[in-house]
Amino acid sequence: TQLLEQSPQFLSIQEGENLTVYCNSSSVFSSLQWYRQEPGEGPVLLVTVVTGGEVKKLKRLTFQFGDARKDSSLHITAAQPGDTGLYLCAGADPGYQKVTFGIGTKLQVIP
Amino acid sequence: EAQVTQNPRYLITVTGKKLTVTCSQNMNHEYMSWYRQDPGLGLRQIYYSMNVEVTDKGDVPEGYKVSRKEKRNFPLILESPSPNQTSLYFCASSLFFLETGYGYTFGSGTRLTVV
Repeated sequence: TQLLEQSPQFLSIQEGENLTVYCNSSSVFSSLQWYRQEPGEGPVLLVTVVTGGEVKKLKRLTFQFGDARKDSSLHITAAQPGDTGLYLCAGADPGYQKVTFGIGTKLQVIP
Repeated sequence: EAQVTQNPRYLITVTGKKLTVTCSQNMNHEYMSWYRQDPGLGLRQIYYSMNVEVTDKGDVPEGYKVSRKEKRNFPLILESPSPNQTSLYFCASSLFFLETGYGYTFGSGTRLTVV
């Protein structure tokens, strides 16, 4: 089973601050997704990255896939209270059609 | 509306009483999967299906069964539930397996308590 480590696990910041969340593995993934989950609901897809070195932007969110396709980062600029939630990364295992999730980063943005 | 529908949302049952959690998607997705989410352990894959009649074990398949007789439906069956299966369960679907760059659409979850 491939493992995805996310850091930090918890993050509490003031509105307007910037932050970066990391997702690391010792294994190569064919693609990597980022999701956001609110309490009691299913995760919602934010982005998928498939090419090593790829950078995608979604408004104030910037996603990067590592050159070796083993790691990824999510950067949020000028965080807002609406960004509060659990951020999950997930990697697709190229050999076994499985998808592995990290434990998640719980973000709280204080007004 | 494109969605994954799970039922029920909440379920309390007793040890050993067989139950089925239903999952249906209306997006003609080929890949479907079941996850359980537990504090400190995250989302763990139970079973997945690449297409009709094609299913395979995920990382935590013990105590669960699935079937994929139709493309849209992927029920999760607990033949003899035990308290350690108390968890939040999610069904998810994707057009194709995620290595091709597609992401999951998740259902709203089923909170199962086994007493």
